[in-house]
Amino acid sequence: GAVVSQHPSRVICKSGTSVKIECRSLDFQATTMFWYRQFPKQSLMLMATSNEGSKATYEQGVEKDKFLINHASLTLSTLTVTSAHPEDSSFYICSGRTGRSGEQYFGPGTRLTVT
Amino acid sequence: DAKTTQPPSMDCAEGRAANLPCNHSTISGNEYVYWYRQIHSQGPQYIIHGLKNNETNEMASLIITEDRKSSTLILPHATLRDTAVYYCIVRPNTGNQFYFGTGTSLTVIP
Repeated sequence: GAVVSQHPSRVICKSGTSVKIECRSLDFQATTMFWYRQFPKQSLMLMATSNEGSKATYEQGVEKDKFLINHASLTLSTLTVTSAHPEDSSFYICSGRTGRSGEQYFGPGTRLTVT
Repeated sequence: DAKTTQPPSMDCAEGRAANLPCNHSTISGNEYVYWYRQIHSQGPQYIIHGLKNNETNEMASLIITEDRKSSTLILPHATLRDTAVYYCIVRPNTGNQFYFGTGTSLTVIP
């Protein structure tokens, strides 16, 4: 299947700082990318959907000013967690989808710890 | 919103078939059934999907009931590496979002 990478794989930051997570589709063009968050022992929760060159669509309850999403190219999307707080500590996972099929291909995830 | 119901956990003996059920009684005519699995601390991995016919690939088989209100994922010869959380998701094939339910935690026992 298609490959999606994320960088970094884990990051620790101090409360009040911002952190950027990159998501790249390595061997396909992702017309749509998705960001999920997963807390321990819970399922994946969709945060937002982004189409290349367009503003992201956020799920209800997700603060768009706190979680900034940029999808500037067909192979790269970034999620910036602004003014991070300990409650933002979570596992963040991105996925990409081409326009030709229904499957989403998921990245390996980024473990964010805010101290 | 997740539209599926799965048992929270299952065990399976190594080498035996693992049969994971999923109820999707409110599925619409244009919605596909997708299966993904997530091994601990990794991103989900695509397994298989189908509309109404049974499907098989190198990983698994998907059996969908005639009324499409339920399906079963079959791992024919489970190995220890198949221990994971398995998610059943319904979604239109041209639709966007996947909404994950709680999944089934499968433990393969030696």
